[in-house]
Amino acid sequence: DAGITQSPRYKITETGRQVTLMCHQTWSHSYMFWYRQDLGHGLRLIYYSAAADITDKGEVPDGYVVSRSKTENFPLTLESATRSQTSVYFCASSEPWRDSYEQYFGPGTRLTVT
Amino acid sequence: GQQVMQIPQYQHVQEGEDFTTYCNSSTTLSNIQWYKQRPGGHPVFLIQLVKSGEVKKQKRLTFQFGEAKKNSSLHITATQTTDVGTYFCAGLSNSGYALNFGKGTSLLVTP
Repeated sequence: DAGITQSPRYKITETGRQVTLMCHQTWSHSYMFWYRQDLGHGLRLIYYSAAADITDKGEVPDGYVVSRSKTENFPLTLESATRSQTSVYFCASSEPWRDSYEQYFGPGTRLTVT
Repeated sequence: GQQVMQIPQYQHVQEGEDFTTYCNSSTTLSNIQWYKQRPGGHPVFLIQLVKSGEVKKQKRLTFQFGEAKKNSSLHITATQTTDVGTYFCAGLSNSGYALNFGKGTSLLVTP
């Protein structure tokens, strides 16, 4: 019962490189989300997805790309990493049921861009 | 767009003291959720409030949803060191399923 996993857990990359953060959930939840967490900003939504092949921008989408070809996977790609993208990234999933929108978060990926 | 404001940003209490964090929205919320994040961990769902004026309790934690559904609070009675962490409130965004999180209140409990 893995739930929701993220990989890698830690990543150091250089400015300008492309990096992909992986997110996988085993619950077949319809909805998946990517957040970044920075001191003083709390959790900010980057992208979200309502189902396979359906994605939408959140509050801070610039510099990020997502895809969702399969329900269980929701990778986040930084096309050309910048220092301002140094952050902790959380993936989450949910399956609304009886007006409950509880989200389940993965353990996070700590990304450092040098 | 909808903004969720949370205060205080930090709170330091002695073990056994009470603690309250407040959440305010610029617009009416259909529901509000509360999450707890332990240091170094990930956010974990605590509760969801839906009805105007709703009050829910989980042991020493009391959650309230305002009558106008624009504010909410979390009150912890007699804090323990296990309560340490950051508490976030979150309201549904206009999308209907994504959440707008407050910036959180970090609670430190000194034995």
